[in-house]
Amino acid sequence: SQQGEEDPQALSIQEGENATMNCSYKTSINNLQWYRQNSGRGLVHLILIRSNEREKHSGRLRVTLDTSKKSSSLLITASRAADTASYFCATVQTGANNLFFGTGTRLTVIP
Amino acid sequence: DAGVIQSPRHEVTEMGQEVTLRCKPISGHDYLFWYRQTMMRGLELLIYFNNNVPIDDSGMPEDRFSAKMPNASFSNLKIQPSEPRDSAVYFCASSRGTPYSNQPQHFGDGTRLSIL
Repeated sequence: SQQGEEDPQALSIQEGENATMNCSYKTSINNLQWYRQNSGRGLVHLILIRSNEREKHSGRLRVTLDTSKKSSSLLITASRAADTASYFCATVQTGANNLFFGTGTRLTVIP
Repeated sequence: DAGVIQSPRHEVTEMGQEVTLRCKPISGHDYLFWYRQTMMRGLELLIYFNNNVPIDDSGMPEDRFSAKMPNASFSNLKIQPSEPRDSAVYFCASSRGTPYSNQPQHFGDGTRLSIL
């Protein structure tokens, strides 16, 4: 069964706006990863945040992690049409050696 | 570096036929993962290998499914006999080290399988 739930399921914004996606999970984790999937393609790793980190940046991406609330958020600033994709969070549970993927957020950026 | 290569990209076959999906991981990666993606169940891990050895196959749905990794450059996933409910997109991913050791996975573009 899936570990994470993304919210919202779908998000539509104008180019230039910021997009925020949230992920909630159920058990303690070692790290949390965000992936992007373009239509008809495989998943692409975006960013990884360890359980002892609270915030991480990579280019226009900002990820936060709140282990007390078992939640994470992905912020994409100054969105572009090319950011249109599905975004998945994936957790590595403490003691486990594989990824559990969430349900995904479908982001549409309107030019 | 070439990415993870999967073949075929699309497969349409009739129920009862054997299906073979193929994967070439990134050179130097010692972990290989097979996933299945459907609208209903999302992305599910089927099996993963470390240094060509199957480590966890608890996600393989039934005995009709089998996976092998004869060498570091190749893995295949077989379904025999295939059923319509096996229709999905199957992904292969590889990594240098485990997710627990903070290593990202690199995915192929998947095989879209349709069983009629």
